[in-house]
Amino acid sequence: QAVVTQEPSLTVSPGGTVTLTCGSSTGAVTSGHYPYWFQQKPGQAPRTLIYDTSKKHSWTPARFSGSLLGGKAALTLSGAQPEDEAEYYCFLSYSGPRVFGGGTKLTVL
Amino acid sequence: EVRLVESGGGLIQPGGSLRLSCAASGFTFSSYWMHWVRQAPGKGLVWVSRINSDGSITTYADSVRGRFTISRDNAKNTLYLQMNSLRAEDTAVYYCTSTGETGYWGQGTLVTVSS
Repeated sequence: QAVVTQEPSLTVSPGGTVTLTCGSSTGAVTSGHYPYWFQQKPGQAPRTLIYDTSKKHSWTPARFSGSLLGGKAALTLSGAQPEDEAEYYCFLSYSGPRVFGGGTKLTVL
Repeated sequence: EVRLVESGGGLIQPGGSLRLSCAASGFTFSSYWMHWVRQAPGKGLVWVSRINSDGSITTYADSVRGRFTISRDNAKNTLYLQMNSLRAEDTAVYYCTSTGETGYWGQGTLVTVSS
């Protein structure tokens, strides 16, 4: 089974910009992996932010964006807010199984 | 209002069985792929299984294949996960979620496998 890798932790200053990445052990991440990004705060269920690489839901704050960058999927947060402090998970599709990354703990400090 | 409500979790002995349900409302349940995702205490999200809109295609993680069965009843707007031969490592909160342009999650139901 493929392994999906994320940075274990990142820190961003309030108002700053940070990019979280999502790599695959099988090679470059492409649009064919239909990358998703989820946000989870302590004690809460996950929330879907991004699907199919860059598509947003109606509830996704405009400061979040998804892309492909250097062979990885990327989630960029521009203008970080204190409420963005959370765990972020990426999710990739393979032929059959789906795989989550291990998550990135984002601290806004 | 969109809702996904999981139920059926609880304490079960190793080797036992449980059936989880996920009741959907507020969107066209029968049109979308549905997934089960689990999260062990203090750990990350783990994908468990998925099913297509009419129930004809199912996929499983290696860790549960042969023990778990996903199904759905579109007339009842309900997703199921039949879990057999449960192990301690199956202990987790189980979430149902819809993907694609829906992106909805339930609040989860806790399954504890312990003697």
